Amino acid sequence: LAKTTQPISMDSYEGQEVNITCSHNNIATNDYITWYQQFPSQGPRFIIQGYKTKVTNEVASLFIPADRKSSTLSLPRVSLSDTAVYYCLLYGANNLFFGTGTRLTVIP
Amino acid sequence: KAGVTQTPRYLIKTRGQQVTLSCSPISGHRSVSWYQQTPGQGLQFLFEYFSETQRNKGNFPGRFSGRQFSNSRSEMNVSTLELGDSALYLCASSPGTSGGVSSYNEQFFGPGTRLTVL
Repeated sequence: LAKTTQPISMDSYEGQEVNITCSHNNIATNDYITWYQQFPSQGPRFIIQGYKTKVTNEVASLFIPADRKSSTLSLPRVSLSDTAVYYCLLYGANNLFFGTGTRLTVIP
Repeated sequence: KAGVTQTPRYLIKTRGQQVTLSCSPISGHRSVSWYQQTPGQGLQFLFEYFSETQRNKGNFPGRFSGRQFSNSRSEMNVSTLELGDSALYLCASSPGTSGGVSSYNEQFFGPGTRLTVL
């Protein structure tokens, strides 16, 4: 069964670009890669989803290499309000795994 | 459009009791998924319902069960509660299609029900 691995925590200064990488060596052909953000005492919130190459929306970019065994969430110019836990999730038939999550702390 | 609502928000039970949690999805959404979140295990998938049918199930014992009604509202039941069942239980809804698990739709999460088992 496909699982994901992420760094447990990361620190960044305000205004910097942050890249969080998720490893998913056993990703299945049907799996989509999705990232969620979670603040304390709230449910996760969708950030971005992709299948391959690069996807960009108003808040983040998602880079997926050709072999799809990893993915990188890129947050441009983070602010204090981006301090949260970020989860990498594989979506597909019979696959619904959240990663362990990466706790991002943005420092003033 | 109203978001996903979960009731109750907080619950305290004792070992051996059973509990029922409720989730009302966003209007028009047909897929409802349940997750358990604990500090030690993180976010774990329990099951997903689509059109009143359980479509996928995570690796939890049979004490955890659920159902979905014709209006897409869903309930989750945990019987014979154990201390380890203390967790935040999250419900998520998505439009869903008949094509497969969650059909790659964005899921909208509710605020969760905080269950404490004493």
